[in-house]
Amino acid sequence: RKEVEQDPGPFNVPEGATVAFNCTYSNSASQSFFWYRQDCRKEPKLLMSVYSSGNEDGRFTAQLNRASQYISLLIRDSKLSDSATYLCVVNSRGGDTGRRALTFGSGTRLQVQP
Amino acid sequence: GAVVSQHPSRVICKSGTSVKIECRSLDFQATTMFWYRQFPKQSLMLMATSNEGSKATYEQGVEKDKFLINHASLTLSTLTVTSAHPEDSSFYICSAISPGSGNTIYFGEGSWLTVV
Repeated sequence: RKEVEQDPGPFNVPEGATVAFNCTYSNSASQSFFWYRQDCRKEPKLLMSVYSSGNEDGRFTAQLNRASQYISLLIRDSKLSDSATYLCVVNSRGGDTGRRALTFGSGTRLQVQP
Repeated sequence: GAVVSQHPSRVICKSGTSVKIECRSLDFQATTMFWYRQFPKQSLMLMATSNEGSKATYEQGVEKDKFLINHASLTLSTLTVTSAHPEDSSFYICSAISPGSGNTIYFGEGSWLTVV
């Protein structure tokens, strides 16, 4: 089983739609969770961290369910510019800064259509 | 904000030659940097953790003699792909932690390596 699993998609949605992605992780000791966005042939960029209480940033809402070991990302009112691959990222190596390597999911591709 | 820069962004080399990729933290000191590799339509895979002033820590299955990592200063880590083969063609990307930004992890722009 992969450490971090995501539905690869693609998710094809019309502009204005609401879309949700889920991601499951296998290591129950994982401490930090993130959603990154990666555009084609570019480096990943941090979209948002995921907190236990859930957090929202504009049209984006992230949630963490530790009991079921999954995190989610909700995008409301999708824009054409939201088209990208969304990477679920987990730090399973513990809190030591020196070991804060990240484990990436394979990404979920979103295509927002006009 | 903090910036991590990689160079070169694209490189084409012949089989059997070596290629060096640089990763620099531009406005912060990074005692630890990470090197990833990403094949098309796949996720980023951690290759190694680069530690300033000491040996890099390689992930299982990554040949340390083939992928040489040097972290000689607090702002520079280099990855050298030695005796490159076409199967080494990939997107190589580094990241570094910025302690001054709440331990935020920043990525370089990535380097596309094509071995012909």
